[in-house]
Amino acid sequence: DSGVTQTPKHLITATGQRVTLRCSPRSGDLSVYWYQQSLDQGLQFLIHYYNGEERAKGNILERFSAQQFPDLHSELNLSSLELGDSALYFCASSPWGALIAGNTIYFGEGSWLTVV
Amino acid sequence: DAKTTQPNSMESNEEEPVHLPCNHSTISGTDYIHWYRQLPSQGPEYVIHGLTSNVNNRMASLAIAEDRKSSTLILHRATLRDAAVYYCILRVGGAGSYQLTFGKGTKLSVIP
Repeated sequence: DSGVTQTPKHLITATGQRVTLRCSPRSGDLSVYWYQQSLDQGLQFLIHYYNGEERAKGNILERFSAQQFPDLHSELNLSSLELGDSALYFCASSPWGALIAGNTIYFGEGSWLTVV
Repeated sequence: DAKTTQPNSMESNEEEPVHLPCNHSTISGTDYIHWYRQLPSQGPEYVIHGLTSNVNNRMASLAIAEDRKSSTLILHRATLRDAAVYYCILRVGGAGSYQLTFGKGTKLSVIP
């Protein structure tokens, strides 16, 4: 158990809908990262928040957005869903904003999204 | 960004040592080498990381070439639970944010 909690674990929704994925980082961790894993694309970095502020964006679509709240939990909002958005979405956390001195990040077990 | 190259797949017999290679010829002097693994239906799991010297922990050993252009993750005795995809990663990013960029990794199969 990494200490990173993600909900829901599984979600099935229809095209065009909107969903919210939630992540609670490890206790004390200030950074939250979101990754998407699909069969054909592998693990893709989406976005990084540190203590409520967006720090970096990766391959995140405009239909997707995220935020980190004062209690440090984070939500990933996916809207106007398409079939191709079906994937496993991982949240990860770390104590720092950057990989200082080789600091590691810890992943949750993921939220499996199926768009039908 | 510095990239890594790993074999797509490898096989090992149970209880034998496994050497998982990784090439990173464009690594910069300050890049740490990270290894993560992903078991089926689970999130990636930290294995080990290092900068220049060889590193050991309870899970594995990391041997880093003197020129740092390659490294090898060593599992001393493979178990069935070690069957996973192993990712060799260099951190990428700028000031204030470093991310781990995952490649395809090496799928390790362990034969009983």
